[in-house]
Amino acid sequence: GQQVMQIPQYQHVQEGEDFTTYCNSSTTLSNIQWYKQRPGGHPVFLIQLVKSGEVKKQKRLTFQFGEAKKNSSLHITATQTTDVGTYFCAAASGGSYIPTFGRGTSLIVHP
Amino acid sequence: DVKVTQSSRYLVKRTGEKVFLECVQDMDHENMFWYRQDPGLGLRLIYFSYDVKMKEKGDIPEGYSVSREKKERFSLILESASTNQTSMYLCASSRGAYGGDSGNTIYFGEGSWLTVV
Repeated sequence: GQQVMQIPQYQHVQEGEDFTTYCNSSTTLSNIQWYKQRPGGHPVFLIQLVKSGEVKKQKRLTFQFGEAKKNSSLHITATQTTDVGTYFCAAASGGSYIPTFGRGTSLIVHP
Repeated sequence: DVKVTQSSRYLVKRTGEKVFLECVQDMDHENMFWYRQDPGLGLRLIYFSYDVKMKEKGDIPEGYSVSREKKERFSLILESASTNQTSMYLCASSRGAYGGDSGNTIYFGEGSWLTVV
């Protein structure tokens, strides 16, 4: 199946620092979704990107879709302890509606 | 709000037992999924279903089977549980028809923690 590489696997930051996770595919994607899973919880949908070069913002979170639609990033500005969790990208390509999940990036925020 | 309900939150089963994990969604979604989540491996798709009585293998179907007799219900079956099936299992659903609109939001249940001893 399609491979989606997500890096880094873990990221420790001090509260107030920025954080970025990256998702990369070798194939052109039709769309990419981002999910957040709090510790002990289940993944919850954050956003979907569809257009080449698309940038979307949700408060301190900025999501980007690459021009070639092969990569995406999630950037958090000035992290807070409430940002702790694992962030997953989920990418679909071709005519498939079944996205492939990246392995996730676990964000640990130190107060 | 979409609700995906998994019947068991925590289970402990013995090796060789038959295990049923039940999942119900209340939003009339066509698609339902079973994932397995292990540390460092992310979410791996076991099986999915795009309609009643229809099923497709995911990335790791070995040792599992599924049943979808009603649209709202999707069951995961471990015919003979083994210790390497100890994991967290996530059921999910999304709208849309097979081959249709891609990128539908996936709604997850709270997960079932299975320990096989």
